[in-house]
Amino acid sequence: GNSVTQMEGPVTLSEEAFLTINCTYTATGYPSLFWYVQYPGEGLQLLLKATKADDKGSNKGFEATYRKETTSFHLEKGSVQVSDSAVYFCALSDGGNKLVFGAGTILRVKS
Amino acid sequence: DAGVIQSPRHEVTEMGQEVTLRCKPISGHNSLFWYRQTMMRGLELLIYFNNNVPIDDSGMPEDRFSAKMPNASFSTLKIQPSEPRDSAVYFCASSAGAGRGEAFFGQGTRLTVV
Repeated sequence: GNSVTQMEGPVTLSEEAFLTINCTYTATGYPSLFWYVQYPGEGLQLLLKATKADDKGSNKGFEATYRKETTSFHLEKGSVQVSDSAVYFCALSDGGNKLVFGAGTILRVKS
Repeated sequence: DAGVIQSPRHEVTEMGQEVTLRCKPISGHNSLFWYRQTMMRGLELLIYFNNNVPIDDSGMPEDRFSAKMPNASFSTLKIQPSEPRDSAVYFCASSAGAGRGEAFFGQGTRLTVV
């Protein structure tokens, strides 16, 4: 079946550091890929998405590129801020209405 | 649009009591999802509806859990009887469907069963 694997956290960085959160997936066909973010006490919010190979999703300084050859969708940001502290979830949709989520990665940014 | 609205935000109940969680999806969305989030198990899909019809309830943990969607603007998740291990944050999400995948989440209901 479809699945998503994320790097384990927590990831702790200093402000202005470079961020990478790894995500790989297993799916049949050509899924759409997503990154969601969950701030403390809130629900998940869509951060960015990519719907086909080599697409790059971007939002709020975050980027992720859909790599079919490595079945990956790693999240990156060049300079993190304290306000980026949250839980980040990688997810896929195989064309149906259901999302398959990874376990989530906690990001802590220190000032 | 106000987004997905869940109520209550917090619920504390005693073991054995019935608990009902409520959700109003975004108007025009035809898919609705119930998720449970815990530290131990992460985010789990319990059930999802398409056009008010339950499509996949394989994630519902046991018969104590039931979900209904009587119309396009309202859904409930009921636990009867509740147990301490049901303590979690329950999220409702909706999407426009048609395979687009993007889902919009409510703020969740934090359930504590004592």
